Amino acid sequence: GDSVTQMEGPVTLSEEAFLTINCTYTATGYPSLFWYVQYPGEGLQLLLKATKADDKGSNKGFEATYRKETTSFHLEKGSVQVSDSAVYFCALSSSNDYKLSFGAGTTVTVRA
Amino acid sequence: SQTIHQWPATLVQPVGSPLSLECTVEGTSNPNLYWYRQAAGRGLQLLFYSVGIGQISSEVPQNLSASRPQDRQFILSSKKLLLSDSGFYLCACTGTVSGNTIYFGEGSWLTVV
Repeated sequence: GDSVTQMEGPVTLSEEAFLTINCTYTATGYPSLFWYVQYPGEGLQLLLKATKADDKGSNKGFEATYRKETTSFHLEKGSVQVSDSAVYFCALSSSNDYKLSFGAGTTVTVRA
Repeated sequence: SQTIHQWPATLVQPVGSPLSLECTVEGTSNPNLYWYRQAAGRGLQLLFYSVGIGQISSEVPQNLSASRPQDRQFILSSKKLLLSDSGFYLCACTGTVSGNTIYFGEGSWLTVV
């Protein structure tokens, strides 16, 4: 079945550092790929998404590119802030099923 | 845009007591609805999903049940809570506006004592 594997955390960074969280997937067909962010005590918010190969999703300085050849959707941000401290989830939905497959989540802590 | 309302936000329940968490959706019709659970420090587990009124699919056998009495209402229930039912419960939906993007409610923290 479909699955997502993302980098295990926790990740601790200093402000203005570069962040990358690796995500790879296994899926049949042509899935859509997502990154969700969960701030402490809150629900999940959609951060960005990409629906086809070579698409780049971006939002709030975060970017991720849908790489079909490497089955990856790595999340990157060039300069993190303390407010980026959160748990980040990679997810996919298959082309004929709206159920999402989630990665285990990566906890990111940014220190001032 | 679609909005998901979920309540209660937090609750503390004794072992053996019943549970009812409610979720309603605005801004879309005929949504797919989902209940997820997130245990402390862990990822998301899909519990139930529904593609229409009265249609419930269960992903894992457990002490919980779900119902969809109306198009935009989804209820998570238990007759007798267990300690292991503690966690963060999230209602989610997709709809005609969002396509295959799932949007989440704010969540309900359940502590069983």
